[in-house]
Amino acid sequence: EVQLVESGGGLVQPGGSLRLSCAASGFTLSSYWMSWVRQAPGKGLEWVANIKQDGSEKYYVDSVKGRFTISRDNAKNSLYLQMNSLRAEDTAVYYCARAAHHFDYWGQGTLVTVSP
Amino acid sequence: DIQMTQSPSTLSASVGDRVTITCRASQSISSWLAWYQQKPGKAPKLLIYKASSLESGVPSRFSGSGSGTEFTLTISSLQPDDFATYYCQQYDNYSPWTFGQGTKVEIK
Repeated sequence: EVQLVESGGGLVQPGGSLRLSCAASGFTLSSYWMSWVRQAPGKGLEWVANIKQDGSEKYYVDSVKGRFTISRDNAKNSLYLQMNSLRAEDTAVYYCARAAHHFDYWGQGTLVTVSP
Repeated sequence: DIQMTQSPSTLSASVGDRVTITCRASQSISSWLAWYQQKPGKAPKLLIYKASSLESGVPSRFSGSGSGTEFTLTISSLQPDDFATYYCQQYDNYSPWTFGQGTKVEIK
């Protein structure tokens, strides 16, 4: 059974940093692109970042370029999102998702709240 | 960036109704479109990919159609479990992938 479990969310002050993790199981992580998708409270879904199977290609939504870094460790079956210079508008539930172009499996999400 | 526009934003319907949700892309995306269902407090669930392919395990009352810039999600006979918010998503290019704003299906 495919499982994605996010962790690392929490309350952080504006300008702070946070690192999200996603533990993958039930499939071969190294065979898939992976993504982070977020959802602000009461709002719609927003794709945040993608990473290729071997980590050689990474893409970001414009609003996080230069602040967020997506990475992976296939040996540890893990996906990461390093978030720096956080802003109030980054407050959201962050989901990791397996990206077979569309998102076929999602984690349960981890809440990031950016507030003084 | 490719913009995705869903209509309506909210839809009121009864159990047994046929429901259609439309998604329009700002430029052609061929058939690179997916539909998701999301219930409050839960992660989205994939329903349809490549515009019309039904994800394994999804009831056959869900169907998708369209290509180019106009797409539809149809629920042939609305069931109590189907009251949720639905999102379309384009994946024509690796960067950036974009979602529609969502359509909330409410009980009439």
